[in-house]
Amino acid sequence: GAGVSQSPSNKVTEKGKDVELRCDPISGHTALYWYRQRLGQGLEFLIYFQGNSAPDKSGLPSDRFSAERTGESVSTLTIQRTQQEDSAVYLCASSLYTGNTEAFFGQGTRLTVV
Amino acid sequence: AQRVTQPEKLLSVFKGAPVELKCNYSYSGSPELFWYVQYSRQRLQLLLRHISRESIKGFTADLNKGETSFHLKKPFAQEEDSAMYYCALSGSSNTGKLIFGQGTTLQVKP
Repeated sequence: GAGVSQSPSNKVTEKGKDVELRCDPISGHTALYWYRQRLGQGLEFLIYFQGNSAPDKSGLPSDRFSAERTGESVSTLTIQRTQQEDSAVYLCASSLYTGNTEAFFGQGTRLTVV
Repeated sequence: AQRVTQPEKLLSVFKGAPVELKCNYSYSGSPELFWYVQYSRQRLQLLLRHISRESIKGFTADLNKGETSFHLKKPFAQEEDSAMYYCALSGSSNTGKLIFGQGTTLQVKP
């Protein structure tokens, strides 16, 4: 595809359920980032991948959150035992290599926990 | 601590008026600063970065290290400039991780 693709676009889940969010970065991009945007707030960094490794997980809010990346491509962000405060738009971005290069963003997954 | 502050949630101007979207940052080293823009129903995209020192769509931004600011300016606003604008900072860790401000909605009225 031409850009970063995220699925699903929208997800409504019941409190306590697990959810998986998927990100397909631009082909060949080695760096991949997850951000979270709560209503009316800016983007918060969650985790960063260089290849399949995650050197910086400092933004993951709790141990209910985890992420992995395989084949230096697709990444999944998993939230276990979802809580209402997890409701947000989850954005994925990729860049050609790490460092201060342009990040290309996906359209986001809007997660609503009811 | 690394922080980016955009003091205005909403900036409303008339077409043809000058625009200045404010951004202040807190960072102890030498950051790289960016402006990202999100037009209605589109994804977030890079508008400009301070190291490029270029004008994009008539917008410019100058890094002022003394005032720790990176305000975005345009002399004559157009209706198509209406969007959400985010200022972001990347630190010297060289990971590309971005710290974002809360964003400013620019509304350009006809």
